[in-house]
Formats: sequence, structure tokens, C-alpha cells
Amino acid sequence: ETGVTQTPRHLVMGMTNKKSLKCEQHLGHNAMYWYKQSAKKPLELMFVYSLEERVENNSVPSRFSPECPNSSHLFLHLHTLQPEDSALYLCASSQAQASGGEKLFFGSGTQLSVL
Amino acid sequence: GESVGLHLPTLSVQEGDNSIINCAYSNSASDYFIWYKQESGKGPQFIIDIRSNMDKRQGQRVTVLLNKTVKHLSLQIAATQPGDSAVYFCAENYSNYGQNFVFGPGTRLSVLP
Repeated sequence: ETGVTQTPRHLVMGMTNKKSLKCEQHLGHNAMYWYKQSAKKPLELMFVYSLEERVENNSVPSRFSPECPNSSHLFLHLHTLQPEDSALYLCASSQAQASGGEKLFFGSGTQLSVL
Repeated sequence: GESVGLHLPTLSVQEGDNSIINCAYSNSASDYFIWYKQESGKGPQFIIDIRSNMDKRQGQRVTVLLNKTVKHLSLQIAATQPGDSAVYFCAENYSNYGQNFVFGPGTRLSVLP
């Protein structure tokens, strides 16, 4: 148990579906993240919420929409995805400091397949 | 066209031997580095970290070395065990960019009996 819980563990969806990924952290951290891990690329940062404020990532398509209702919960809303969006989606949290980086704690991920 | 997966370098070591996994990082201004271990079906797990004001840090059975001159990071695992088999990632962070870590492609460590 890492302190970061993701659901569901596996998800299969069609390109016209709408689904949401959920993440909850039990570590008292003030920052949460979505990362994408695919077979073709290293881990890629999608979104950061630090102190509940979203840091924009202009390279992520608008079919991915994050939501952070509080410092413990993070969602990733998915709609009209493409097959190339199939990947492992990882949530992470950290205790962000003004002085610099702090280690990330990851969940086990949601393995997403888009048909 | 045919999709091609990321080709991970692989390191095979005998059980009980020491392992050294290397990582070249990209930003000379990066000042914080982490090594992660990822087992099949799991998320990355923190192993050890180091800040740029140090060149060596030791943990339990692991040591991280940082060479800022050549932008190189290494992870040494002593007395490698079967449970060490996994993919190992290095991550770099430049504190002025906040919490944006850049991850390397990873190295697969296989421990031979």
C-alpha cells in the first residue's frame, strides 16, 4: 500500500464513451499529478495540481480533463479518446515545497485500453 | 504503420552480485534527482533521492552517485536479490520549474539465479 489509491485498475472503453479515473491520496500531501506511461515513451507529465491550483500543460489534448475537488482527490475525465491513448495512467502525490522538488509517491495506475 | 515499443536497455546480473544502473540526464540546471523501481503491474516506487549539493548518498543496499560535470547519475545495488528484478527509472527536477520531473526511459534489471 503506497498511500495513493487509483480506481479502476483496468478500463476498456470505446472511442465514443465517457469515463473517469479516480485517485485518492492518504498522505496529507498538497500536490497531485497525472502521468501517462505508454510503451512508446517515458513517463509523461499530464497535469499538476499544487495547492489545488492547476498547472496547465498545453500539450495534453482537450479530450483529457482533470478535476481536483480537494487536496486528497483527483479525477481524470476521458471523452472521445483515440486508440493511441491506450496506456497506463498513473496518479502521484507529493508535499510540494517552495524551495524545490519533493519526491513523488505513485499509485498502481489504471491500465486503459481504447478500442 | 507498425507501432514500436520503447526499447529498454537490460542489465542481467547474478544473484548476490552488485548491480550498477546508469542514467544520463538532460538539464544541467537540474538540482534534484530520484531513482524509482517499477515492478510489473505496479506503479513506480521511490528508492532513493539526491540533491545537487551532494555527489553520493547511501541507503539500505543502495547508493546513488551524481556527477554533475558529465550529467550522469548511477544507482548501485549491493548483493542483488531476485526481488530487485524490475525496471528502474531516474528522474530529474529543476526546482525553478516547480514539481515537473523528467523521467528517463528506464533500465530493466534481471536477476539470474
